[in-house]
Amino acid sequence: DIVMTQSPDSLAVSLGERATINCKSSQSVLYSSNNKNYLAWFQQKPGQPPKVLIYWASTRESGVPDRFSGSGSGTDFTLTISSLQAEDVAVYYCQQYYSPPLTFGGGTKVEIK
Amino acid sequence: EVQLVESGGGLVQPGGSLKLSCAASGFSFSDSAIHWVRQASGKGPEWVGRIRTKAKSYATAYAASVKGRFTISRDDSKNTAYLQMNSLKIEDTAVYYCTRLTGEEAFNIWGQGTMVTVSS
Repeated sequence: DIVMTQSPDSLAVSLGERATINCKSSQSVLYSSNNKNYLAWFQQKPGQPPKVLIYWASTRESGVPDRFSGSGSGTDFTLTISSLQAEDVAVYYCQQYYSPPLTFGGGTKVEIK
Repeated sequence: EVQLVESGGGLVQPGGSLKLSCAASGFSFSDSAIHWVRQASGKGPEWVGRIRTKAKSYATAYAASVKGRFTISRDDSKNTAYLQMNSLKIEDTAVYYCTRLTGEEAFNIWGQGTMVTVSS
């Protein structure tokens, strides 16, 4: 199984400042035949299902604000919130969908400092 | 409206069975792999399993924790996927979600979830 390791576990950032979350996979999730990284980022607020922000490691889902961006390839990935807003308080998860079993990172709780 | 709607959750005793449904509308269901994800209270999401499309022979895959007890199926004529859960354990208690994956879009549609409680 591919193990997804997220860091940090929690993060307190001032409004308008940058938040950076890291995710490392135990093996590459880059599929060589199509050059796509099978890595997604989700935001989850209490009582709601996960909401995809980014897939294919860097493709922003329609309607997601452009302050959210994803980068990385192979085994190391980053989710960046360029200017934290109050509505971004949530838990964020990375997930690999390269091979079953699909696996999630442990989550990063983002709060306002 | 593009949506997935889960149903069928409830209270069941350990060892019992339950069948969840995931009804799709507003998008091409038959071109989408359907994944089931569960989340226990206060925990992160856990992938349960998936069923691929007809083009991929309706291939299924499961998490080790449910393999041999859970079965995923689909009826493309009804735009519905199913999760048959047998030999339920207390640790299967969670909200169960369905979501979809295609060649171009990943997990951008989720249901609201259905609660499964396994308790005596």
